[in-house]
Amino acid sequence: GEDVEQSLFLSVREGDSSVINCTYTDSSSTYLYWYKQEPGAGLQLLTYIFSNMDMKQDQRLTVLLNKKDKHLSLRIADTQTGDSAIYFCAESASKIIFGSGTRLSIRP
Amino acid sequence: GAVVSQHPSWVICKSGTSVKIECRSLDFQATTMFWYRQFPKQSLMLMATSNEGSKATYEQGVEKDKFLINHASLTLSTLTVTSAHPEDSSFYICSARETGYGTEAFFGQGTRLTVV
Repeated sequence: GEDVEQSLFLSVREGDSSVINCTYTDSSSTYLYWYKQEPGAGLQLLTYIFSNMDMKQDQRLTVLLNKKDKHLSLRIADTQTGDSAIYFCAESASKIIFGSGTRLSIRP
Repeated sequence: GAVVSQHPSWVICKSGTSVKIECRSLDFQATTMFWYRQFPKQSLMLMATSNEGSKATYEQGVEKDKFLINHASLTLSTLTVTSAHPEDSSFYICSARETGYGTEAFFGQGTRLTVV
């Protein structure tokens, strides 16, 4: 069945780059999403990538997709305290399945 | 991007009552809608997938009679939590997709349900 996995925690120093990784199982996924969720809030779509792309850049965000390995990553450049949140990746095929979320914490 | 409106954004209800949550696609026709539930500090769990005009497909472990889903039109799906109990308190989020497989999905802002 479909499964999406992420590491649970990531701690980075302010100003450094954060890289959040995700693996998925459904090779027929067409869209892959990254969402941000701050405490007590809903989901905020950060970016997404279509499965025929291998990279997408949007300001501080870079998404890399390795379709062969079914690996997706989100790189946040110059990480700021406001980036502290939980980041979810999701794969979209017949269903949309979310990963467990990675809690990103920023240290000074 | 397209807009999905979810209403209400939060609701408090008494144990034993039923609560209806609406999910509307405002500027596109949603052939498929998904309903998710999120427990505190956990991920989003897919509850069911609904296609307009047909019965919803529920994920394993989700009670059909407890969580009634109706997708009667291409712009509206509803989730009714029947005879709600405190353990049903959660964050519910809907998602809508314009056609079936392979198109982008858009998410509502979520509904926080508290059952007292």
